[in-house]
Amino acid sequence: AQKVTQAQTEISVVEKEDVTLDCVYETRDTTYYLFWYKQPPSGELVFLIRRNSFDEQNEISGRYSWNFQKSTSSFNFTITASQVVDSAVYFCALSELQDSSYKLIFGSGTRLLVRP
Amino acid sequence: GAVVSQHPSWVICKSGTSVKIECRSLDFQATTMFWYRQFPKQSLMLMATSNEGSKATYEQGVEKDKFLINHASLTLSTLTVTSAHPEDSSFYICSASFPGQDGTYGYTFGSGTRLTVV
Repeated sequence: AQKVTQAQTEISVVEKEDVTLDCVYETRDTTYYLFWYKQPPSGELVFLIRRNSFDEQNEISGRYSWNFQKSTSSFNFTITASQVVDSAVYFCALSELQDSSYKLIFGSGTRLLVRP
Repeated sequence: GAVVSQHPSWVICKSGTSVKIECRSLDFQATTMFWYRQFPKQSLMLMATSNEGSKATYEQGVEKDKFLINHASLTLSTLTVTSAHPEDSSFYICSASFPGQDGTYGYTFGSGTRLTVV
């Protein structure tokens, strides 16, 4: 079973539109961590946010906001007033204890294209 | 802090040769390192987990003899692709976990190595 599901393969929006990237995860652990990363064409991963399973507070950072809901096992990411520079692939990831290590498992990613 | 340096950033090699990719933690001790592979327009797939001084743990379907991982020190992990073939062409990324001040875990990533086997 897929641990992290990002159902949206590609999203295309026009600049200044708001866009939400969905992420649904699956775990049996009570302690786990959720992440969002941005991967621009250069390939380097850019860390956006980390959330632990005990902190369900939503977070806002500039134009970025995250909605963590344990009841639906979702950790969605919203970009407000999108810009062309937001175009990238965005990955949601889950870290849980496996084989004595906290392994980071990625979703399939959502490719976001922001058109001028 | 928590920077990982990965080299080389790209490499082209002939089929049948071996290629070594290095991953160094610059300002912290990386007890655990991870190696990922990413094919074009796909996600990062975890290949293996390496702990300093012990054998790496490989994910299902990853050939241990083909992808040799060595984590001999707390600051260096290497991935050697042995007898590389065109199907091994991919983007390889290393990562190291580090404990945060609040007891949580974070991950830092290398910049990746683009391997092309011709």
